[in-house]
Amino acid sequence: SQQGEEDPQALSIQEGENATMNCSYKTSINNLQWYRQNSGRGLVHLILIRSNEREKHSGRLRVTLDTSKKSSSLLITASRAADTASYFCATASSGTASKLTFGTGTRLQVTL
Amino acid sequence: NAGVTQTPKFRVLKTGQSMTLLCAQDMNHEYMYWYRQDPGMGLRLIHYSVGEGTTAKGEVPDGYNVSRLKKQNFLLGLESAAPSQTSVYFCASSYSGQNNQPQHFGDGTRLSIL
Repeated sequence: SQQGEEDPQALSIQEGENATMNCSYKTSINNLQWYRQNSGRGLVHLILIRSNEREKHSGRLRVTLDTSKKSSSLLITASRAADTASYFCATASSGTASKLTFGTGTRLQVTL
Repeated sequence: NAGVTQTPKFRVLKTGQSMTLLCAQDMNHEYMYWYRQDPGMGLRLIHYSVGEGTTAKGEVPDGYNVSRLKKQNFLLGLESAAPSQTSVYFCASSYSGQNNQPQHFGDGTRLSIL
């Protein structure tokens, strides 16, 4: 079963705009991770936020986590055409041998 | 470093045939995973391994077997392929089982079962 559900399923923006993707999950977690997948390629880890953290930054990425609402958001600022990809959230629950449960993903299209 | 390498990249099988997908990692990672990715469903865990010689079932293990004879290799086998196993298969590895370790993915094997 899918732990995470991403919203929206697809997002189209122009270069320079910000992109926000949301992830909701069902059970308590140890951490939440965001991955990017370019077409025809494997997933690439972007950022990890622990359950006791509320916000984390990495370059143009900002991730927030609200454990009371079981939700997270990924903000990409000043988007570029190279940001075009699918983005997945993945949750890790305590004591699960680093197993991740992935959401269904958001397809981001950044146009010039 | 090559990271995680999957072979083959593409394969077409007939129903009932068998095959083995190979995953190799050169990062000395303890944990390895096999996922399948189907349209609209994200990634689902098939089997995983917490170290050489050990394997465990994931969310969707039926119809698959795995082996981890060497730390750097994780093999996924389909004994009798079925059309429902048409999918993109991804292998991943992580340094340890601690929950704050990211996973590193290969580029996938695209498998079609006719």
